Amino acid sequence: GAVVSQHPSWVICKSGTSVKIECRSLDFQATTMFWYRQFPKQSLMLMATSNEGSKATYEQGVEKDKFLINHASLTLSTLTVTSAHPEDSSFYICSTGDFRETQYFGPGTRLLVL
Amino acid sequence: SQQGEEDPQALSIQEGENATMNCSYKTSINNLQWYRQNSGRGLVHLILIRSNEREKHSGRLRVTLDTSKKSSSLLITASRAADTASYFCATDATPNDYKLSFGAGTTVTVRA
Repeated sequence: GAVVSQHPSWVICKSGTSVKIECRSLDFQATTMFWYRQFPKQSLMLMATSNEGSKATYEQGVEKDKFLINHASLTLSTLTVTSAHPEDSSFYICSTGDFRETQYFGPGTRLLVL
Repeated sequence: SQQGEEDPQALSIQEGENATMNCSYKTSINNLQWYRQNSGRGLVHLILIRSNEREKHSGRLRVTLDTSKKSSSLLITASRAADTASYFCATDATPNDYKLSFGAGTTVTVRA
């Protein structure tokens, strides 16, 4: 299956700063990637669909100006959390794959905003 | 988006025993998948069952799907300590957009 990496694996930042998280598809042409958020002991919630070469589509309740997504190539999508606040602290996971069969998930990025 | 519910929320068993967890969902689906998540890690795909299938096996895993009851079960036989993880079901309800809606998850602890 597809191998998906994320960078960084964890990040601590001060409130008000912006943080960029990268999601790379290492061996798969990813025209579509998904970004999820997971709070402790909770399930994954889909945030947005990242489409290569076009604008991302966001799920209801997710602020597109706060969570900027860029999918400029078939191997890289980035999620930027702008003006991060403590409530943005979470585990962010991306996925890609042959969606008719399965999705392959990255290892996740843990964000802690102080 | 729809959200599945899983039952039980947590399960503790002895090594060698079987573990069964259930997932219910709300609307019609194209397929249902089960994923495993080790603590603080990404998700690993376990098995996919399509809406026209009733049962599927993969190694020590057995998944059933009852679309009339909108429910699925995952059975792990002869559990091992390495099976300790959280298990999530995920449904794909809308053709061609491939968005997954995840259940709340079952945390399984296998005691040596």
